[in-house]
Amino acid sequence: AQSVTQLGSHVSVSEGALVLLRCNYSSSVPPYLFWYVQYPNQGLQLLLKYTSAATLVKGINGFEAEFKKSETSFHLTKPSAHMSDAAEYFCAVTHSGTYKYIFGTGTRLKVLA
Amino acid sequence: DAMVIQNPRYQVTQFGKPVTLSCSQTLNHNVMYWYQQKSSQAPKLLFHYYDKDFNNEADTPDNFQSRRPNTSFCFLDIRSPGLGDAAMYLCATSRELQGAYNEQFFGPGTRLTVL
Repeated sequence: AQSVTQLGSHVSVSEGALVLLRCNYSSSVPPYLFWYVQYPNQGLQLLLKYTSAATLVKGINGFEAEFKKSETSFHLTKPSAHMSDAAEYFCAVTHSGTYKYIFGTGTRLKVLA
Repeated sequence: DAMVIQNPRYQVTQFGKPVTLSCSQTLNHNVMYWYQQKSSQAPKLLFHYYDKDFNNEADTPDNFQSRRPNTSFCFLDIRSPGLGDAAMYLCATSRELQGAYNEQFFGPGTRLTVL
């Protein structure tokens, strides 16, 4: 069975500060991991994905994430927050042979001026 | 651009009045999904189609039905909407890849209000 835990349902950062959103996963098989962003009243947009190639994954809008198998983590970071980064972020896990994603409960990012 | 389209973006219905939400895709993907997302919660999978094969989640209420008349279109029918069915409904698609993951592409969603 697979599961995803996102620590912190709400995170606030100042504009220009480091963004760190945490995601830990549990999986008995090699996982594929994703970060999605959702703006109000919109669908989910893929930020980045880990698919067993490079462990440091770069995505859109300056975000990146590092897959750490020993820590079962896939934390999302951005060096400098922008006001436009304010949104809800979801971590998701899946594996080969299934159509289902397991989503985390989401983290709402607030960027303070 | 290839995409997933949902219509309408906003739907208002009355308690107990049937409603249909639609999803279309130009990606030619063989898997389509319907999710329900309530405020500040993760998307919850209702069902998915692999081609014409329908796969219902065990906890999806009977009040929710789906149709997929062809590869491009998929519909979500709510037979008798209750106040608890007010939510964002997300459609997603993926292309089956043997031995690999199935990346899901999401539409913009339909926000359903039940009065």
